[in-house]
Amino acid sequence: DTEVTQTPKHLVMGMTNKKSLKCEQHMGHRAMYWYKQKAKKPPELMFVYSYEKLSINESVPSRFSPECPNSSLLNLHLHALQPEDSALYLCASSQEGGLGTDTQYFGPGTRLTVL
Amino acid sequence: AQSVSQHNHHVILSEAASLELGCNYSYGGTVNLFWYVQYPGQHLQLLLKYFSGDPLVKGIKGFEAEFIKSKFSFNLRKPSVQWSDTAEYFCAVNRGTGGFKTIFGAGTRLFVKA
Repeated sequence: DTEVTQTPKHLVMGMTNKKSLKCEQHMGHRAMYWYKQKAKKPPELMFVYSYEKLSINESVPSRFSPECPNSSLLNLHLHALQPEDSALYLCASSQEGGLGTDTQYFGPGTRLTVL
Repeated sequence: AQSVSQHNHHVILSEAASLELGCNYSYGGTVNLFWYVQYPGQHLQLLLKYFSGDPLVKGIKGFEAEFIKSKFSFNLRKPSVQWSDTAEYFCAVNRGTGGFKTIFGAGTRLFVKA
């Protein structure tokens, strides 16, 4: 199974809401990633977890809060977002990732709209 | 700062035409190089990658790419495209000294006319 699943597929939220995005993989991968992709732009790295520890935070605003409860799950908690945060949020995983040679497996993404 | 440049943002080809998509990166050290593809309605997936050995790498669906270190390039090629190759293609680079950060190019949208 080489699938990364993400829920929900679409999310519309107000600026005062709290919501969470979920990502799951069962490939035994130990590195998991959150990317943000705006329309007609490339994916931009937000966070990386390695062995369930936060390894990279690309200076993401604190209104985005990642969580890795176990090696298969990755969450992204959202609070007090701004309309400019509207984007496609992609989750990916890789075997380990530390060497930089691993293939990343991407999920289908969550399309987020902030009103 | 490390950057990845893809020269063509949109490419339109007829079936059976040859394809070459350019990719250049700015980092001077050892690098790992990737091409990812996103077919309409599907998620990003790996086409091919290079991190050592033969600089000509072959990927899925008849694609290949050549790493030319002196030119900081990793161009993607296919001798004869098919309608099903219509997709967006992303070049991506990761520093060879390790680490998780992969930087993606802006992408090239390829449309193949049947």
